[in-house]
Amino acid sequence: QAVVTQEPSLTVSPGGTVTLTCASSTGTVTSGHYPFWFQQKPGQAPRTLIYDATNKYSWTPVRFSGSLLGGKAALTLSGAQPDDEAEYYCLLAYSGARVFGGGTKLTVL
Amino acid sequence: QVQLQQSGPRLVQPSQTLSVTCAISGDSVSSKSASWHWIRQSPSRGLEWLGRTYYRSRWYNDYAVSVKSRIIINPDTSRNQFSLQLDSVTPEDTAVYYCGRYDAYNYSWGQGTLVTVSS
Repeated sequence: QAVVTQEPSLTVSPGGTVTLTCASSTGTVTSGHYPFWFQQKPGQAPRTLIYDATNKYSWTPVRFSGSLLGGKAALTLSGAQPDDEAEYYCLLAYSGARVFGGGTKLTVL
Repeated sequence: QVQLQQSGPRLVQPSQTLSVTCAISGDSVSSKSASWHWIRQSPSRGLEWLGRTYYRSRWYNDYAVSVKSRIIINPDTSRNQFSLQLDSVTPEDTAVYYCGRYDAYNYSWGQGTLVTVSS
């Protein structure tokens, strides 16, 4: 089974920009992995932010964007706000199976 | 709007079978455009995808390698629900279990069920 790797933790200043990444042990992450990004706050179920690497939902704040960057999936937050402090998970598809990354704890400080 | 309501025992004895059911409203488990998933979350393992079931003229299942030998996800068309069965559980299987729906665009989740494996 593939292993999906994310930064365990990152810190960003309010108003700052940070990029979270999502790497696959099998090699380059492509659109064929249908990368998803989730945001999770304590006591809540994960909430989808980005689908298919770059697409946003109507509820996705404009300050979040997704991309494929340097062989990884990436989530960029531009103009961080205190409310963005949360755990962020990516999810990749490998044929029928899905694999979550280990999550990135984002601190806004 | 699709809603998923989970139910099942909160405490399971080691070596026994964990069972959680997810009742669907607002969609059909036999939908040809959706798939039905189980994930779990524990402090030690983070989020873990367990498997899915879906109908495309016949039923299909996919399972995570880590649990493949002891998991079954069953659709129940008569009750419009699907269930997770995990055999031979250990304390490592203690987690919050979520059922979910995927429609090629979005995942939506049930409320989560904390299942504790303990004697």
